[in-house]
Amino acid sequence: DVKVTQSSRYLVKRTGEKVFLECVQDMDHENMFWYRQDPGLGLRLIYFSYDVKMKEKGDIPEGYSVSREKKERFSLILESASTNQTSMYLCASSPGTGFSDEQYFGPGTRLTVT
Amino acid sequence: AQKVTQAQTEISVVEKEDVTLDCVYETRDTTYYLFWYKQPPSGELVFLIRRNSFDEQNEISGRYSWNFQKSTSSFNFTITASQVVDSAVYFCALSGPSGGYQKVTFGTGTKLQVIP
Repeated sequence: DVKVTQSSRYLVKRTGEKVFLECVQDMDHENMFWYRQDPGLGLRLIYFSYDVKMKEKGDIPEGYSVSREKKERFSLILESASTNQTSMYLCASSPGTGFSDEQYFGPGTRLTVT
Repeated sequence: AQKVTQAQTEISVVEKEDVTLDCVYETRDTTYYLFWYKQPPSGELVFLIRRNSFDEQNEISGRYSWNFQKSTSSFNFTITASQVVDSAVYFCALSGPSGGYQKVTFGTGTKLQVIP
Protein backbone atom coordinates (compact mmCIF):
# COMPACT_ATOMS: atom_id res chain seq x y z
CA ASP A 1 0.00 0.00 0.00
CA VAL A 2 1.13 3.51 -0.76
CA LYS A 3 1.78 5.46 2.35
CA VAL A 4 1.93 9.23 2.46
CA THR A 5 2.80 10.65 5.83
CA GLN A 6 2.79 14.21 7.05
CA SER A 7 4.91 15.40 9.93
CA SER A 8 2.09 16.77 12.09
CA ARG A 9 -1.68 16.41 12.30
CA TYR A 10 -2.08 19.68 14.17
CA LEU A 11 0.19 22.69 14.31
CA VAL A 12 -0.17 26.08 15.97
CA LYS A 13 2.18 28.88 14.96
CA ARG A 14 2.42 32.59 15.51
CA THR A 15 2.15 35.26 12.86
CA GLY A 16 5.52 35.90 11.25
CA GLU A 17 7.03 32.51 12.10
CA LYS A 18 8.66 30.38 9.44
CA VAL A 19 6.74 27.12 9.16
CA PHE A 20 7.83 23.82 7.63
CA LEU A 21 5.36 21.13 6.67
CA GLU A 22 6.94 17.84 5.74
CA CYS A 23 5.57 15.07 3.56
CA VAL A 24 7.08 11.66 2.85
CA GLN A 25 5.88 8.97 0.47
CA ASP A 26 7.19 5.42 0.37
CA MET A 27 6.26 4.23 -3.13
CA ASP A 28 8.90 5.84 -5.29
CA HIS A 29 6.36 8.16 -6.88
CA GLU A 30 7.58 10.82 -9.29
CA ASN A 31 4.99 13.46 -8.50
CA MET A 32 4.20 15.14 -5.24
CA PHE A 33 1.64 17.84 -4.46
CA TRP A 34 0.67 20.31 -1.78
CA TYR A 35 -2.95 21.45 -1.47
CA ARG A 36 -4.82 23.55 0.98
CA GLN A 37 -8.41 22.74 1.83
CA ASP A 38 -10.80 25.41 3.05
CA PRO A 39 -14.55 25.14 3.65
CA GLY A 40 -16.52 25.97 0.53
CA LEU A 41 -13.39 26.17 -1.63
CA GLY A 42 -12.46 22.52 -2.00
CA LEU A 43 -8.84 21.63 -2.62
CA ARG A 44 -6.58 24.20 -4.19
CA LEU A 45 -3.15 23.33 -5.51
CA ILE A 46 -0.27 25.31 -4.01
CA TYR A 47 2.74 23.65 -5.66
CA PHE A 48 3.67 20.37 -7.20
CA SER A 49 6.89 18.63 -8.07
CA TYR A 50 7.45 16.15 -10.89
CA ASP A 51 11.04 15.30 -10.07
CA VAL A 52 13.72 15.95 -7.50
CA LYS A 53 14.55 19.66 -7.36
CA MET A 54 11.81 20.39 -9.89
CA LYS A 55 8.73 22.33 -8.92
CA GLU A 56 5.84 24.07 -10.54
CA LYS A 57 3.42 26.64 -9.18
CA GLY A 58 -0.14 25.70 -8.67
CA ASP A 59 -3.13 27.98 -8.39
CA ILE A 60 -2.25 29.72 -5.11
CA PRO A 61 1.55 29.78 -4.62
CA GLU A 62 1.76 33.24 -3.05
CA GLY A 63 3.23 33.15 0.42
CA TYR A 64 4.54 29.60 0.01
CA SER A 65 7.66 27.88 -1.23
CA VAL A 66 8.61 24.23 -1.55
CA SER A 67 11.65 22.04 -1.47
CA ARG A 68 12.26 18.59 -2.88
CA GLU A 69 15.81 17.45 -2.25
CA LYS A 70 14.98 13.73 -2.20
CA LYS A 71 12.43 11.85 -4.24
CA GLU A 72 10.41 10.70 -1.25
CA ARG A 73 10.21 14.02 0.58
CA PHE A 74 8.37 17.22 -0.32
CA SER A 75 8.37 20.16 2.04
CA LEU A 76 6.04 23.14 2.11
CA ILE A 77 7.45 26.32 3.62
CA LEU A 78 5.54 29.32 4.86
CA GLU A 79 8.22 31.99 4.92
CA SER A 80 6.29 34.29 7.25
CA ALA A 81 3.06 32.77 8.45
CA SER A 82 -0.06 34.89 8.38
CA THR A 83 -3.51 34.31 9.81
CA ASN A 84 -4.99 33.83 6.33
CA GLN A 85 -2.81 30.75 5.99
CA THR A 86 -4.77 29.00 8.71
CA SER A 87 -6.04 25.96 6.87
CA MET A 88 -5.86 22.21 6.33
CA TYR A 89 -2.83 21.28 4.26
CA LEU A 90 -2.87 18.06 2.28
CA CYS A 91 0.08 16.36 0.66
CA ALA A 92 -0.34 13.86 -2.16
CA SER A 93 1.77 11.77 -4.48
CA SER A 94 1.21 10.01 -7.80
CA PRO A 95 3.29 7.60 -9.88
CA GLY A 96 3.91 9.96 -12.82
CA THR A 97 3.16 7.70 -15.78
CA GLY A 98 2.76 10.66 -18.11
CA PHE A 99 -0.99 10.76 -17.99
CA SER A 100 -3.29 11.59 -15.20
CA ASP A 101 -2.70 9.20 -12.35
CA GLU A 102 -4.76 8.87 -9.25
CA GLN A 103 -3.27 10.67 -6.31
CA TYR A 104 -2.57 9.23 -2.89
CA PHE A 105 -3.13 11.57 0.00
CA GLY A 106 -1.69 11.98 3.44
CA PRO A 107 -3.87 12.55 6.52
CA GLY A 108 -3.42 16.33 6.43
CA THR A 109 -1.98 18.96 8.74
CA ARG A 110 -4.36 21.40 10.33
CA LEU A 111 -2.38 24.60 10.73
CA THR A 112 -3.57 27.44 12.92
CA VAL A 113 -1.74 30.76 12.75
CA THR A 114 -2.47 33.08 15.65
CA ALA B 1 -9.78 27.02 -18.02
CA GLN B 2 -10.97 23.91 -16.26
CA LYS B 3 -13.79 23.99 -13.80
CA VAL B 4 -15.68 21.45 -11.71
CA THR B 5 -19.01 22.29 -10.12
CA GLN B 6 -20.58 20.29 -7.33
CA ALA B 7 -23.74 22.21 -6.66
CA GLN B 8 -24.84 20.07 -3.72
CA THR B 9 -23.00 21.32 -0.65
CA GLU B 10 -24.56 18.90 1.83
CA ILE B 11 -26.92 15.97 1.49
CA SER B 12 -28.58 13.95 4.24
CA VAL B 13 -30.20 10.61 3.59
CA VAL B 14 -31.55 7.85 5.76
CA GLU B 15 -29.64 4.60 5.70
CA LYS B 16 -30.57 2.29 2.81
CA GLU B 17 -31.74 5.14 0.62
CA ASP B 18 -30.08 5.68 -2.75
CA VAL B 19 -28.30 8.97 -3.28
CA THR B 20 -26.76 10.67 -6.32
CA LEU B 21 -23.98 13.20 -6.12
CA ASP B 22 -23.83 15.56 -9.06
CA CYS B 23 -20.72 16.74 -10.86
CA VAL B 24 -20.61 19.10 -13.84
CA TYR B 25 -17.34 20.02 -15.50
CA GLU B 26 -16.01 22.50 -18.03
CA THR B 27 -12.95 22.03 -20.20
CA ARG B 28 -11.63 22.98 -23.63
CA ASP B 29 -9.72 19.72 -23.91
CA THR B 30 -10.98 16.88 -26.07
CA THR B 31 -9.04 14.38 -24.01
CA TYR B 32 -9.38 14.60 -20.26
CA TYR B 33 -9.78 12.55 -17.11
CA LEU B 34 -12.45 12.66 -14.44
CA PHE B 35 -12.11 11.42 -10.88
CA TRP B 36 -14.05 10.89 -7.70
CA TYR B 37 -12.41 10.92 -4.28
CA LYS B 38 -13.87 10.22 -0.84
CA GLN B 39 -12.78 12.07 2.29
CA PRO B 40 -14.06 10.31 5.43
CA PRO B 41 -14.09 12.09 8.79
CA SER B 42 -10.52 10.89 9.41
CA GLY B 43 -9.45 13.35 6.73
CA GLU B 44 -7.46 11.26 4.24
CA LEU B 45 -8.79 11.46 0.69
CA VAL B 46 -9.23 8.12 -0.97
CA PHE B 47 -9.35 7.59 -4.71
CA LEU B 48 -12.57 5.97 -5.99
CA ILE B 49 -12.52 6.09 -9.78
CA ARG B 50 -10.83 7.58 -12.84
CA ARG B 51 -12.53 7.88 -16.19
CA ASN B 52 -11.07 9.10 -19.47
CA SER B 53 -13.12 11.14 -21.88
CA PHE B 54 -13.25 8.43 -24.52
CA ASP B 55 -14.92 5.94 -22.25
CA GLU B 56 -18.54 6.84 -21.67
CA GLN B 57 -19.57 3.48 -20.36
CA ASN B 58 -21.15 3.59 -16.96
CA GLU B 59 -19.20 1.92 -14.21
CA ILE B 60 -20.49 -0.11 -11.29
CA SER B 61 -18.49 -1.21 -8.30
CA GLY B 62 -20.57 -2.86 -5.63
CA ARG B 63 -23.01 -0.25 -4.31
CA TYR B 64 -21.26 2.52 -6.22
CA SER B 65 -22.00 3.52 -9.79
CA TRP B 66 -20.93 6.35 -12.02
CA ASN B 67 -22.78 7.91 -14.94
CA PHE B 68 -20.58 9.78 -17.40
CA GLN B 69 -22.41 11.86 -20.02
CA LYS B 70 -20.31 14.01 -22.33
CA SER B 71 -23.41 15.60 -23.84
CA THR B 72 -24.21 17.26 -20.53
CA SER B 73 -20.61 17.44 -19.22
CA SER B 74 -21.59 15.48 -16.17
CA PHE B 75 -20.04 12.68 -14.17
CA ASN B 76 -22.53 11.75 -11.48
CA PHE B 77 -21.96 9.31 -8.64
CA THR B 78 -24.71 7.14 -7.18
CA ILE B 79 -24.56 5.17 -3.95
CA THR B 80 -27.19 2.47 -3.74
CA ALA B 81 -28.54 1.37 -0.35
CA SER B 82 -26.43 3.91 1.51
CA GLN B 83 -24.72 2.98 4.76
CA VAL B 84 -23.43 5.02 7.67
CA VAL B 85 -19.86 4.30 6.52
CA ASP B 86 -20.62 6.23 3.35
CA SER B 87 -20.77 9.45 5.38
CA ALA B 88 -17.95 11.57 4.00
CA VAL B 89 -17.12 14.48 1.76
CA TYR B 90 -16.96 13.47 -1.88
CA PHE B 91 -14.90 15.36 -4.43
CA CYS B 92 -15.19 15.28 -8.18
CA ALA B 93 -12.06 16.29 -10.10
CA LEU B 94 -10.80 16.89 -13.62
CA SER B 95 -7.44 16.92 -15.40
CA GLY B 96 -6.38 17.43 -18.98
CA PRO B 97 -3.58 18.75 -21.16
CA SER B 98 -4.58 22.41 -20.92
CA GLY B 99 -3.93 22.33 -17.18
CA GLY B 100 -1.13 19.80 -17.35
CA TYR B 101 -2.22 16.22 -16.98
CA GLN B 102 -0.85 15.85 -13.51
CA LYS B 103 -2.57 18.98 -12.21
CA VAL B 104 -6.04 18.19 -11.04
CA THR B 105 -8.89 20.65 -10.60
CA PHE B 106 -11.16 19.68 -7.73
CA GLY B 107 -14.74 20.63 -7.11
CA THR B 108 -15.79 22.10 -3.78
CA GLY B 109 -17.08 18.78 -2.51
CA THR B 110 -20.40 17.37 -1.37
CA LYS B 111 -20.80 16.38 2.24
CA LEU B 112 -22.95 13.29 2.57
CA GLN B 113 -24.48 12.36 5.88
CA VAL B 114 -26.13 8.98 6.16
CA ILE B 115 -28.44 8.82 9.14
CA PRO B 116 -28.98 5.44 10.78
